[in-house]
Amino acid sequence: EPEVTQTPSHQVTQMGQEVILRCVPISNHLYFYWYRQILGQKVEFLVSFYNNEISEKSEIFDDQFSVERPDGSNFTLKIRSTKLEDSAMYFCAITERVGGETQYFGPGTRLLVL
Amino acid sequence: SQQGEEDPQALSIQEGENATMNCSYKTSINNLQWYRQNSGRGLVHLILIRSNEREKHSGRLRVTLDTSKKSSSLLITASRAADTASYFCATVLASGGSYIPTFGRGTSLIVHP
Repeated sequence: EPEVTQTPSHQVTQMGQEVILRCVPISNHLYFYWYRQILGQKVEFLVSFYNNEISEKSEIFDDQFSVERPDGSNFTLKIRSTKLEDSAMYFCAITERVGGETQYFGPGTRLLVL
Repeated sequence: SQQGEEDPQALSIQEGENATMNCSYKTSINNLQWYRQNSGRGLVHLILIRSNEREKHSGRLRVTLDTSKKSSSLLITASRAADTASYFCATVLASGGSYIPTFGRGTSLIVHP
């Protein structure tokens, strides 16, 4: 089973600051996803990324969000100017192939915006 | 929305009992998946059932799918305290080219030792 790590595990930031969340799959996967989960609520899809470009994104993924693979292995989610409502768990997931049905999730980054 | 909705929202049982969680959805699906989430952790894929399947087993897990009723159930037999977690169903659309699963709000299961 593919393994996914995320850093940091926790991050506290001030409103308006930029944060970068990182995802590192252990093996060389090409298909990445970001989800968020506000405390006590459902897991929400943000964006999928394939072959170094966004393949699908949700309404949540507005201009304050961006994703990239800066060095071919790490997969990052950047939030440019954080808002209080961005406080949530952010999960990275991978699939083993495009259209792959089983998603393998990382442990998440807990983001708290003050 | 085609998202799955789990029922009940919370379930509390004694160790050794069976736990049944249900999921209902609104539109035609390609497949339905069940995930488990321990508190503060990521989701772990448990089982996937396709629209042309009616039942699947994996260890103590049994999943059924009734496409006529647009519902699925997850049964955990002989539950253990370690089964305490939130359980989510996720649906993947039958058409539209999107493979993104849409998650429900989950059932919180507590198994008392």
